Amino acid sequence: GENVEQHPSTLSVQEGDSAVIKCTYSDSASNYFPWYKQELGKRPQLIIDIRSNVGEKKDQRIAVTLNKTAKHFSLHITETQPEDSAVYFCAARDNYGQNFVFGPGTRLSVLP
Amino acid sequence: GAGVSQTPSNKVTEKGKYVELRCDPISGHTALYWYRQSLGQGPEFLIYFQGTGAADDSGLPNDRFFAVRPEGSVSTLKIQRTERGDSAVYLCASSSGQGPYEQYFGPGTRLTVT
Repeated sequence: GENVEQHPSTLSVQEGDSAVIKCTYSDSASNYFPWYKQELGKRPQLIIDIRSNVGEKKDQRIAVTLNKTAKHFSLHITETQPEDSAVYFCAARDNYGQNFVFGPGTRLSVLP
Repeated sequence: GAGVSQTPSNKVTEKGKYVELRCDPISGHTALYWYRQSLGQGPEFLIYFQGTGAADDSGLPNDRFFAVRPEGSVSTLKIQRTERGDSAVYLCASSSGQGPYEQYFGPGTRLTVT
């Protein structure tokens, strides 16, 4: 089955700097890769996603890139703000079972 | 419109007891997922429904866990003979079941087994 790894596990950046979180997956048949933001005690919220037929997608300060050959995808947050502080999870959608496999998460802290 | 809802929000039970956790998906969403999230970890897949049937139950840890979705809408996750290791937040998510694949999470049920 699918296995998703995520790095780093924690990340601290100064407000205004950029943050990059990287994930790798093992199943080349996976075709959908969402990113979720989870604040303490809250539900995971979808912030951006990418499908396997696209290499990059951007939404304001957030972008995701996908390298199918290397089987990795990354989340880029520019001009970080304190409210970006949260745990971020990447996930890959299994093409057979249609279930989602999540990475272990990255705790992002944006320091004012 | 209404999002995914889950009840109860918190459940405390004694070891060995039976519990039921309920999920109300977004109206019209045919796909429904159950996950378990332990502190400091990502959601762990348990079971996926497409309509009334369990399309993939490979994540259920053992036969104490069971889930149903009899009418293709509300789902109930049932845990028998609860153990302290079952303590976690149980998340439900739903999606339209076909492209786009976006899934939307409920607020979760925090289960504590004492």
